[in-house]
Amino acid sequence: DVKVTQSSRYLVKRTGEKVFLECVQDMDHENMFWYRQDPGLGLRLIYFSYDVKMKEKGDIPEGYSVSREKKERFSLILESASTNQTSMYLCASSDRGSAGELFFGEGSRLTVL
Amino acid sequence: AQSVTQPDIHITVSEGASLELRCNYSYGATPYLFWYVQSPGQGLQLLLKYFSGDTLVQGIKGFEAEFKRSQSSFNLRKPSVHWSDAAEYFCAVGARNNFNKFYFGSGTKLNVKP
Repeated sequence: DVKVTQSSRYLVKRTGEKVFLECVQDMDHENMFWYRQDPGLGLRLIYFSYDVKMKEKGDIPEGYSVSREKKERFSLILESASTNQTSMYLCASSDRGSAGELFFGEGSRLTVL
Repeated sequence: AQSVTQPDIHITVSEGASLELRCNYSYGATPYLFWYVQSPGQGLQLLLKYFSGDTLVQGIKGFEAEFKRSQSSFNLRKPSVHWSDAAEYFCAVGARNNFNKFYFGSGTKLNVKP
C-alpha cells in the first residue's frame, strides 16, 4: 500500500520556537508538496520540490522553508513559529509523469501558543 | 486567474438520498479535474479524476462526476448516500502543462442524517 507518512500528528509549540515537520513517502515519487489547510480556505501550497535539493515557492511561502536532502523525505521548517501559523499541514507526493494524482499524508496539526 | 469554487460550505442529506456537490473552475484551458475526500482527522484521498475522453467519470465508493465544459463545472454525484460518506470533499484542478500546479476549492462538508 502506498504511503505518505507525517511523523507528527499533533504538535504544540511556543511563539518563536523552531519547528520541523517531517514527511516521508515510499513510492519513489519525484514531486513532494507541503500544503496548509485552514477552514474555509481549502488547501494552499507552501512549497513544493520536484527533485532532491530542488524547491519552488508556492502561494504562501513566507515564514516557511523546506529541505529535501533525500528523494523520499521532505521537511517543512518554521524558523520562528508565530500564532498565525497554527494550522493543519498536509504533505503530498506525486509521480512526475502521472499527470496529477496527489497522495496525501494524514496531516500534522500544529498549535502555536 | 485560476480558481476553484465550491459554493456549498455545508450540505446535509439523509442516508439513502442522492447527493450532488458543485464545483466550478476558472482556468485558461481544459484542466485536469479531481475530487478528493477527507474523513475526519485524515489526509485527502482521491475519489476520481478527469483527464480527457468520456465526460462522465466513475470513481471509488460509488461516486461519479461529470465534466461540463460549457459550464466550467465538475459536479460530484452519488445516487444513494451512506452514513460513512460523511466527510469533507474537495474539488481540484491541475495544469496540463505543469504537473506541479494544483488549485483546490475551499471544500464542502457533508453531513449524513440517519
